[in-house]
Amino acid sequence: GAVVSQHPSRVICKSGTSVKIECRSLDFQATTMFWYRQFPKQSLMLMATSNEGSKATYEQGVEKDKFLINHASLTLSTLTVTSAHPEDSSFYICSASSGGAMETQYFGPGTRLLVL
Amino acid sequence: GQNIDQPTEMTATEGAIVQINCTYQTSGFNGLFWYQQHAGEAPTFLSYNVLDGLEEKGRFSSFLSRSKGYSYLLLKELQMKDSASYLCAVMDSNYQLIWGAGTKLIIKP
Repeated sequence: GAVVSQHPSRVICKSGTSVKIECRSLDFQATTMFWYRQFPKQSLMLMATSNEGSKATYEQGVEKDKFLINHASLTLSTLTVTSAHPEDSSFYICSASSGGAMETQYFGPGTRLLVL
Repeated sequence: GQNIDQPTEMTATEGAIVQINCTYQTSGFNGLFWYQQHAGEAPTFLSYNVLDGLEEKGRFSSFLSRSKGYSYLLLKELQMKDSASYLCAVMDSNYQLIWGAGTKLIIKP
């Protein structure tokens, strides 16, 4: 149980384009989903927390207009990196929790984004 | 401020035992998590401690002392596949996870 998928696993795009990453909880209903970014050899950095049906809560320093998050259902959240630039190249990982922020988070496999 | 400390890197021998320590200073405490992360992959959940004591799960055990702000992850009968980073994370009073930088564990034959 507690399987989370992410799509795509890897994406290469040109600077200025937008990229959408999907995160799905396959066998449970995810009340809360989290989006992280991880640069090489660094720990996870929380970008935002989203609850189904409401607006995401962004961490300080994360531009909400650049990183659009939609959590339209209990099994799907999407992160759209708008007008991507090379500095946005990173490993983006989502996690999901069935009981809100206080419960164990289960991670998706991650999406490696390379912006040329 | 909030702080999670764990060693940057450790080396151990296949078949041996290794203990990875984690100390924390956070605003409130709602549990401590250990995750394993292989290079290039997302973290996978290993353990959760919210009460003092030792939780055993197969070859892996996790210990917590809330009064000391201290936890350790104990790995027994080490296998080459245990080579990974081990992340300690504490859930604070706002139910936010505060992440350590991770301990890279290198297993040698």
